[in-house]
Amino acid sequence: DVKVTQSSRYLVKRTGEKVFLECVQDMDHENMFWYRQDPGLGLRLIYFSYDVKMKEKGDIPEGYSVSREKKERFSLILESASTNQTSMYLCASSLFQGAFRPEAFFGQGTRLTVV
Amino acid sequence: RKEVEQDPGPFNVPEGATVAFNCTYSNSASQSFFWYRQDCRKEPKLLMSVYSSGNEDGRFTAQLNRASQYISLLIRDSKLSDSATYLCVVMSTNAGKSTFGDGTTLTVKP
Repeated sequence: DVKVTQSSRYLVKRTGEKVFLECVQDMDHENMFWYRQDPGLGLRLIYFSYDVKMKEKGDIPEGYSVSREKKERFSLILESASTNQTSMYLCASSLFQGAFRPEAFFGQGTRLTVV
Repeated sequence: RKEVEQDPGPFNVPEGATVAFNCTYSNSASQSFFWYRQDCRKEPKLLMSVYSSGNEDGRFTAQLNRASQYISLLIRDSKLSDSATYLCVVMSTNAGKSTFGDGTTLTVKP
């Protein structure tokens, strides 16, 4: 079974803190993704990566950065956390399959609250 | 207008009922379509892909209508365990671009 593991299930951080969300997958997948999920807004793509040291902006990258130093690990960084970044964050990984890559496997999610 | 729109929920049905969800998409270049299931406070999991010819997996049937730009999910003989949120996902030819619908919540009652 593919396993996508996020470092924390629940986090509470203060406004202005730098926050790191870690995601590790154990199936040698090329692709990794970070989403946030909010009621009424669905899942929105923040950043994605097709390879080590490679990153692409998703639909809502503002206020976030990412790091992919190793193939199995994709980190999401909130440089200065704000209350509007309170959300459920979901990491996903998938195999490279030509142009179409279903994000078939998600981590269990990190519920971040910024106070 | 959202790129992917789903039927607004919630759907409350009795056990054994047949229920159908629709999902419309606006990008005619969309190439791949999927349904995911998400249980309360859990991560989404791939339920099934949607093919042009339609596909069936047990009690679940997915259909694609490219002309009208919508996909559907039909669940027959609903079980209590089918209660979840069903997310429609549409992928375009932009590499790695997937758009999720907001989801439709189904509650199956005894």
